[in-house]
Amino acid sequence: QKEVEQDPGPLSVPEGAIVSLNCTYSNSAFQYFMWYRQYSRKGPELLMYTYSSGNKEDGRFTAQVDKSSKYISLFIRDSQPSDSATYLCAMRKNNAGNMLTFGGGTRLMVKP
Amino acid sequence: GAVVSQHPSWVICKSGTSVKIECRSLDFQATTMFWYRQFPKQSLMLMATSNEGSKATYEQGVEKDKFLINHASLTLSTLTVTSAHPEDSSFYICSAKGLAGFTDTQYFGPGTRLTVL
Repeated sequence: QKEVEQDPGPLSVPEGAIVSLNCTYSNSAFQYFMWYRQYSRKGPELLMYTYSSGNKEDGRFTAQVDKSSKYISLFIRDSQPSDSATYLCAMRKNNAGNMLTFGGGTRLMVKP
Repeated sequence: GAVVSQHPSWVICKSGTSVKIECRSLDFQATTMFWYRQFPKQSLMLMATSNEGSKATYEQGVEKDKFLINHASLTLSTLTVTSAHPEDSSFYICSAKGLAGFTDTQYFGPGTRLTVL
């Protein structure tokens, strides 16, 4: 079993919809949680960076961490065709140095 | 802030030749740089981690003699694929991590697509 699980999709939604992307993990040692967006043939771009449980909002994006359930989410409001990309969750343990553990990525398609 | 560049963005080479890929942190000092490879529709696979001035740490299964990493300064790391073969064709992505604050996580370069004929 992978340490971090992420539904690969593809997830197809109409423009303007609220998108919910999720990851589950098995190791309670993960303390730092990140969401990256990756367009085709480009490097991942950091969207959100959170520490421990709670919510963090940045524009149309909200990251949510529920450590008790070992579950993290990224919500995208008013989705746009330009949001079409692969979204990768990543997490890091407190004493793991710089190592990130990635989910497999969810491919999102927002249709106009 | 936290911009990472890679050069070249794509390269085509003949089998048996060596290819060097550069990774630079443009507006912060990167204490640690990472090299990943990514196959189509797959997630990132960490190849190695390098700290400035010291030898890189390679992941299991990655040949250190084939993938030479040099982290010469706090803003530059290079990956050299030696004696490249078609199976080395992939998307290579670097990331850089700073000391603290907003750079205390990995920022990725745009990637380099390597095609070995």
